[in-house]
Amino acid sequence: DSGVTQTPKHLITATGQRVTLRCSPRSGDLSVYWYQQSLDQGLQFLIQYYNGEERAKGNILERFSAQQFPDLHSELNLSSLELGDSALYFCASTAGGTSGGETQYFGPGTRLLVL
Amino acid sequence: QKEVEQDPGPLSVPEGAIVSLNCTYSNSAFQYFMWYRQYSRKGPELLMYTYSSGNKEDGRFTAQVDKSSKYISLFIRDSQPSDSATYLCAMTGSSGSARQLTFGSGTQLTVLP
Repeated sequence: DSGVTQTPKHLITATGQRVTLRCSPRSGDLSVYWYQQSLDQGLQFLIQYYNGEERAKGNILERFSAQQFPDLHSELNLSSLELGDSALYFCASTAGGTSGGETQYFGPGTRLLVL
Repeated sequence: QKEVEQDPGPLSVPEGAIVSLNCTYSNSAFQYFMWYRQYSRKGPELLMYTYSSGNKEDGRFTAQVDKSSKYISLFIRDSQPSDSATYLCAMTGSSGSARQLTFGSGTQLTVLP
C-alpha cells in the first residue's frame, strides 16, 4: 500500500458528461501528480500541483482541469467526455516536487469508461 | 520519436529464467532512472531507483544504467510466477521538461510455473 488513495475505483459515464476524480496524497506529501494510462498511449503525465499551486503541465486537454485543496487532496475534473477519454487515471505524490528525481508513489487508480 | 523507447513484449519465460528488460532514451537531461512494476489493474510501484551509470542490485533484481549509450536495463534472476506483471522504465532530470517523469510503454512479462 503506497499510502495514496483514489476514489472512485471505477466510473462509467456517457459521452458529453463531466466527472471528478479524487486523490489524497501520502501523509506529509506536498505534491500531487496526475497521469492518464491508456493502451495506445501508455502512462502520460497530465499535471502537477505543489502545495496548492500548479507546478507543471503535461499533455492535459483543455477539457480537463485540476486543483489541489488546502488539505492537499486533489481533484481532476474531466468534462465534455469523449470515448477516447476512457482510461486509467492515476495520481502520485512526492514529499517535495520542486526538483526532479523524487520517488513518486502511485495510487491504485480510477478506471474511467465512457460509453 | 518517443523520448523513451521500451520493447512492449509480451515476454513469456519459464520459472527460474533470467529476464532482461531494456529501455533506450534520447534526452541527455535525464539523470534519474527507475523501474516500476505494475500488476494488472493496480498502480505502478517503484522497484528500483538509480542515479549514476553502473549496476545496482537488490535481491533478485539488478538495474543497469549506461548513460553514454542512453540505455538502461533491468535483470531479474530466478524469475518467479509472482514476477508476472508489466514493467515500466521511467526517467527524469533536474531541468526543464526533463523534470517530469517520463515512462516507457511497458513490457508485459509472464513467468510460467
